[in-house]
Amino acid sequence: NAGVTQTPKFQVLKTGQSMTLQCAQDMNHNSMYWYRQDPGMGLRLIYYSASEGTTDKGEVPNGYNVSRLNKREFSLRLESAAPSQTSVYFCASSVERGLILYEQYFGPGTRLTVT
Amino acid sequence: RKEVEQDPGPFNVPEGATVAFNCTYSNSASQSFFWYRQDCRKEPKLLMSVYSSGNEDGRFTAQLNRASQYISLLIRDSKLSDSATYLCVVKRENYGQNFVFGPGTRLSVLP
Repeated sequence: NAGVTQTPKFQVLKTGQSMTLQCAQDMNHNSMYWYRQDPGMGLRLIYYSASEGTTDKGEVPNGYNVSRLNKREFSLRLESAAPSQTSVYFCASSVERGLILYEQYFGPGTRLTVT
Repeated sequence: RKEVEQDPGPFNVPEGATVAFNCTYSNSASQSFFWYRQDCRKEPKLLMSVYSSGNEDGRFTAQLNRASQYISLLIRDSKLSDSATYLCVVKRENYGQNFVFGPGTRLSVLP
């Protein structure tokens, strides 16, 4: 049971290049998320998917697109990278325990630098 | 005002000390609250869910005060291995699965 996996772990892009960050979970969770973490800002939600086939914008969606390929996989695409997208990106999935409590499990992160 | 605010830190405490972290949230409709721990250059990991009556897990105690919109985390008998950043997390209700993270408070436990 690998939990949440992300690829790649590190990436350097030039401004204007595109790339896709991959995420997969093997815990049969319905919900998946993409966050970015910047110093002093905490984690900010980019997009989330409550179930296969649905996606919703989070707090900072501009410049990103997502695809919930199936229940396991949720990818994040940067169509034209900008230096402001330099960050650490975390994918997560979540589970219900009872009616109102949820736990999130995170992948190891992707450190992206845009020059 | 940020939706979730935490003590700015960092906290530097000796081994064996008791340390408390505070968190406030602005959305009075929030129902679910969590503390996550994040080690340097690692992913966040769930430390505790916070129940309305308060809950304890070994050396860790979480409290919730809905009237003041305040959450706390108490760590007793600090260990070197407790050194990490502690994140307060609040789930937005009626927003699907949307969680809001505080900026975190860094703790260093010193020998």
